[in-house]
Amino acid sequence: DQQVKQNSPSLSVQEGRISILNCDYTNSMFDYFLWYKKYPAEGPTFLISISSIKDKNEDGRFTVFLNKSAKHLSLHIVPSQPGDSAVYFCAGNTNAGKSTFGDGTTLTVKP
Amino acid sequence: DTAVSQTPKYLVTQMGNDKSIKCEQNLGHDTMYWYKQDSKKFLKIMFSYNNKELIINETVPNRFSPKSPDKAHLNLHINSLELGDSAVYFCASSQGRGSQNQPQHFGDGTRLSIL
Repeated sequence: DQQVKQNSPSLSVQEGRISILNCDYTNSMFDYFLWYKKYPAEGPTFLISISSIKDKNEDGRFTVFLNKSAKHLSLHIVPSQPGDSAVYFCAGNTNAGKSTFGDGTTLTVKP
Repeated sequence: DTAVSQTPKYLVTQMGNDKSIKCEQNLGHDTMYWYKQDSKKFLKIMFSYNNKELIINETVPNRFSPKSPDKAHLNLHINSLELGDSAVYFCASSQGRGSQNQPQHFGDGTRLSIL
């Protein structure tokens, strides 16, 4: 049972444009959602999070939107930069402290 | 001043062997985790310890045994290695008792290859 799904394995955008990464979930017990970024041969690093009682959180170029009724969240990166090229994971956290990760989306930002 | 460090970075070994992966964090976090990332790129939780107490134990073969000598260390022992154990294993830590909004800090992974 895959509770967190990232249906787009890859995404390619032009530098300066918007990148939109999507994530769907099935577990209604998730209290927080987090996005992580991963470069090759490194561990994931935390990017931005959102509480399940919010619908938007913004941090600089990164904004996460949550549509709880649709069980869908998205990460917007504006403007996209070549250094943003990485694998992006979304994760749902329960109050038991367990994180469930999606299988990632590889973002390529072309100069 | 690496926050979460795991050793070794690469591990190539024969089927049937026993091996260990070590993890240390210097962030003062209370909770540590082991994840397995298989060829499909899923990051799956295996174990979680809070102050040396096991709090998450997913459906993992009992050939895998975590050991936490103190809250800054969480080691993973694997007995009788099988081909399907080939994966990247990530250690992580977070503040509190795996609090919902606390991000996890990951090590750079240990790439285990079984011959």
